[in-house]
Amino acid sequence: SAVISQKPSRDICQRGTSLTIQCQVDSQVTMMFWYRQQPGQSLTLIATANQGSEATYESGFVIDKFPISRPNLTFSTLTVSNMSPEDSSIYLCSVESQGMGYTFGSGTRLTVV
Amino acid sequence: AQSVTQLDSQVPVFEEAPVELRCNYSSSVSVYLFWYVQYPNQGLQLLLKYLSGSTLVESINGFEAEFNKSQTSFHLRKPSVHISDTAEYFCAVSNTGNQFYFGTGTSLTVIP
Repeated sequence: SAVISQKPSRDICQRGTSLTIQCQVDSQVTMMFWYRQQPGQSLTLIATANQGSEATYESGFVIDKFPISRPNLTFSTLTVSNMSPEDSSIYLCSVESQGMGYTFGSGTRLTVV
Repeated sequence: AQSVTQLDSQVPVFEEAPVELRCNYSSSVSVYLFWYVQYPNQGLQLLLKYLSGSTLVESINGFEAEFNKSQTSFHLRKPSVHISDTAEYFCAVSNTGNQFYFGTGTSLTVIP
């Protein structure tokens, strides 16, 4: 299955600032997915990132708040912009591993103070 | 639309005892079903999946799950748990393979 390197693993940020999270995959993948896991809750899909086109956002998530880049088939970034304490969550990227289901990155634990 | 219900948010169980983590789903179409595990301070890992074929699927560490279409369930079981099984377990459903719907998770705590 694909191997995903996600960084940073954790960060503590001041409100009003932005944080960019990176995901690197060891193989080429068509779609990458970004999820948020708020404290004590399950995962919620933020957006789907395709190479060469704009990301597709789920209801409740907008590009201005969560801009995504997908410059090639092995890399993607998610930026959490103008952060507030409500953005404190674990953010995970995911890709489909052919025949193996989906593989997730180790997550970025974000705390906004 | 799909949805997933994990009825038990927390399950404490003594070491070497059996455990069942319940998962029910709703969907109007055929689905793929998954169990993911999240160990403390780690990311999600695929535990097992049902795509087609045999309704009983097994993982390499002794867990198994059975797809029951009539009851729309995919419960996870293990006959004898270890301390190292302490983790958060998430059930997930997908129909197209492009998007997952996750349950709210079950926290399994194995007591020595």
